[in-house]
Amino acid sequence: GAGVSQTPSNKVTEKGKYVELRCDPISGHTALYWYRQSLGQGPEFLIYFQGTGAADDSGLPNDRFFAVRPEGSVSTLKIQRTERGDSAVYLCASSPDHGRNTEAFFGQGTRLTVV
Amino acid sequence: QQQVKQSPQSLIVQKGGISIINCAYENTAFDYFPWYQQFPGKGPALLIAIRPDVSEKKEGRFTISFNKSAKQFSLHIMDSQPGDSATYFCAARLRTYKYIFGTGTRLKVLA
Repeated sequence: GAGVSQTPSNKVTEKGKYVELRCDPISGHTALYWYRQSLGQGPEFLIYFQGTGAADDSGLPNDRFFAVRPEGSVSTLKIQRTERGDSAVYLCASSPDHGRNTEAFFGQGTRLTVV
Repeated sequence: QQQVKQSPQSLIVQKGGISIINCAYENTAFDYFPWYQQFPGKGPALLIAIRPDVSEKKEGRFTISFNKSAKQFSLHIMDSQPGDSATYFCAARLRTYKYIFGTGTRLKVLA
């Protein structure tokens, strides 16, 4: 497919467990973003990658959250010791590059439920 | 200062009517203002966007009006259709990559 792909689409985990959420950006897009959307709210910025490096991770809520993009394409968001407050939809987006005229394309998200 | 305030929270419009959603911001460093449409269970999809050096942009039934001095921008949906029923988010972009989203407007267009 041509769009941003996120897997799994739904994830239910127990409190305290570790989870990994995967994002496949649009082919050729160098910029990748993770956002978190709580129920009834707008997406909130978590982290931005330009290529392989995290250019801005200021939105990660605490050190239980970590994201990687080792080859500059697929990215994984990792959450350790999950808490019920981590329940949300995690959205990934990509764009051809950062810059004035590029737009971000979002995936469908992974709905994480911590029970 | 990085907030984007969006109103109304919800909106009901008759088919064929005009839907208007408003957003306001404080940070003059924002460089790009997109609107996203989101259907239940889907990710946000870009609808239309504007740069701060333009006062209006129209694409089909969708128009963005941008008032730089007032730090406000709005989305107008002309001839609203039931298929337009969705949640709409305004956003503002900082430093060419960081999108700050409004809280969303749930639009319902009655048939």
